[in-house]
Amino acid sequence: EPEVTQTPSHQVTQMGQEVILRCVPISNHLYFYWYRQILGQKVEFLVSFYNNEISEKSEIFDDQFSVERPDGSNFTLKIRSTKLEDSAMYFCASSEGFGSSYNEQFFGPGTRLTVL
Amino acid sequence: QKEVEQDPGPLSVPEGAIVSLNCTYSNSAFQYFMWYRQYSRKGPELLMYTYSSGNKEDGRFTAQVDKSSKYISLFIRDSQPSDSATYLCAMSMFSGGYNKLIFGAGTRLAVHP
Repeated sequence: EPEVTQTPSHQVTQMGQEVILRCVPISNHLYFYWYRQILGQKVEFLVSFYNNEISEKSEIFDDQFSVERPDGSNFTLKIRSTKLEDSAMYFCASSEGFGSSYNEQFFGPGTRLTVL
Repeated sequence: QKEVEQDPGPLSVPEGAIVSLNCTYSNSAFQYFMWYRQYSRKGPELLMYTYSSGNKEDGRFTAQVDKSSKYISLFIRDSQPSDSATYLCAMSMFSGGYNKLIFGAGTRLAVHP
């Protein structure tokens, strides 16, 4: 069964460093998302991406964040200068995006980011 | 007022019990209502979704939406230890072919043998 994959599973970085989190969405999906979950808190939407453009972003997704689809399979989230409060689980998701009915978002297993 | 409110629990029940999980919401524009299950250190996995008001049943799981009360529920019949997980409600407004999900805090459920 197709699934969303994410690498690395755990990333430890120093405050102020840049990190890139990688995702491989399901191959025929057109919409891609990033969510984050700070430990003990709710899953929060960060950004959605379609046709090589950001469709929507949340208030959390400030200038320190960027997303990219560098090739036909990967979808990346970059944090330019990490802060302690960026420590969280980051989930990538993808959906087909076809038709007018509900499109299920399939989530990856997440990357745990720890900023020291 | 938070957009989506969900009691975080934890909820502990004996095997075979009927479990009731609930969420309330404030935004009347939500049209799709989802229940996700999340095991520890894993990504959310969709259990069920409902469009607008009504009931939907899938095996031991029943989802209910009451848009007039802005209240959704998930019932689990004959609960099993393998149902032990965190259950997240999520909602979205269908717009432009994509769905930004707004999640509740999640309810941690433990089903003990």
